[in-house]
Amino acid sequence: EAAVTQSPRSKVAVTGGKVTLSCHQTNNHDYMYWYRQDTGHGLRLIHYSYVADSTEKGDIPDGYKASRPSQENFSLILELASLSQTAVYFCATGTSNTEVFFGKGTRLTVV
Amino acid sequence: GDSVTQTEGPVTVSESESLIINCTYSATSIAYPNLFWYVRYPGEGLQLLLKVITAGQKGSSRGFEATYNKETTSFHLQKASVQESDSAVYYCALGDGTGYQNFYFGKGTSLTVIP
Repeated sequence: EAAVTQSPRSKVAVTGGKVTLSCHQTNNHDYMYWYRQDTGHGLRLIHYSYVADSTEKGDIPDGYKASRPSQENFSLILELASLSQTAVYFCATGTSNTEVFFGKGTRLTVV
Repeated sequence: GDSVTQTEGPVTVSESESLIINCTYSATSIAYPNLFWYVRYPGEGLQLLLKVITAGQKGSSRGFEATYNKETTSFHLQKASVQESDSAVYYCALGDGTGYQNFYFGKGTSLTVIP
């Protein structure tokens, strides 16, 4: 069974603080993605990666960095968290032209 | 641009009733759109419900079905008789069919089935 594990599952962060969201996969998929979902919006792509040590910007990359140190791990980094970054974040993995497999999500609240 | 619009929720249906969740898409920069329905059950991640990559074809899974209609740019999700276990959030998504498969998601439709 494909598995995408996100940690933490929820987090409260202080405005201006640094936040790191982690994602680990056992699917051995090349592609990894970070999406965010806000109330009343669909999922929007923040960053993605198709190979270790390389990341690409998605549709809404501002305020976020990403890191892919290995095939299995993909992190999303908020260097200076802001109130507007309160959202649910989803990590996903996939191969070319297939479905993507999602993690259970991380609920981030910035106060 | 490329986007997806789906039924605004929440939707409440009684068990054994029929269901339709509307989805329309705009694929102005995508030559061969792929269409998907994902479902998110409480406490879980999104999981694929069904997908169709060829216009005119129908996909089906777990009693749900959706037909890719290129003329009306629609991909409505239907089920003849819902069950309480179908309560979840349903997302329509448009894929660009490229190597990295960028997706455009609808806002999601929250469905509650009343026993």
